[in-house]
Amino acid sequence: GAGVSQSPSNKVTEKGKDVELRCDPISGHTALYWYRQSLGQGLEFLIYFQGNSAPDKSGLPSDRFSAERTGGSVSTLTIQRTQQEDSAVYLCASSVARQGTYGYTFGSGTRLTVV
Amino acid sequence: QKEVEQNSGPLSVPEGAIASLNCTYSDRGSQSFFWYRQYSGKSPELIMSIYSNGDKEDGRFTAQLNKASQYVSLLIRDSQPSDSATYLCAVNDQAGTALIFGKGTTLSVSS
Repeated sequence: GAGVSQSPSNKVTEKGKDVELRCDPISGHTALYWYRQSLGQGLEFLIYFQGNSAPDKSGLPSDRFSAERTGGSVSTLTIQRTQQEDSAVYLCASSVARQGTYGYTFGSGTRLTVV
Repeated sequence: QKEVEQNSGPLSVPEGAIASLNCTYSDRGSQSFFWYRQYSGKSPELIMSIYSNGDKEDGRFTAQLNKASQYVSLLIRDSQPSDSATYLCAVNDQAGTALIFGKGTTLSVSS
């Protein structure tokens, strides 16, 4: 596609439920990143995929968070047993090269609200 | 702990003035530096990148990098109300992890 596509755009879930967030990167971009942005806060790195290499999971805040990337393209971020502090905008980005050497293109984000 | 620091603002300038946004970073090995613009309720948009010491100009925007001082700045000339947004500084590190973002500076341009 022309840009990074994320779905859903909004998600309201009850505390304790699991959620899945989807990201479809720009075609040909080998690097894919997940960040989250809480109200009034900066972007917090979560996880990074580069091609077929093992992902860099160093930013995942707890073992309730996991992500996978299938076929080097679409990625899914899963949050198990959601908590209210998980409420944030989850942003996916992709890049043509590793480490964001040339900057990222962000998707429009998924706004997650845990009630 | 690698950090990117920005003044949160708000920075208020009148239309037509020069807006100056500043950023410092802690990782001396950083090699790539970016400025993103984020309108309220929208996702960040890349507006400038800079890799070498000195100035880089693109239209009304000039990015300045001083690696010795670990300092990056963004100048916006002839500021317009449409420039009102939060500006995020981002830096990559020599370890090869993802970009580290500052918390952003909110710019308000009044007409």
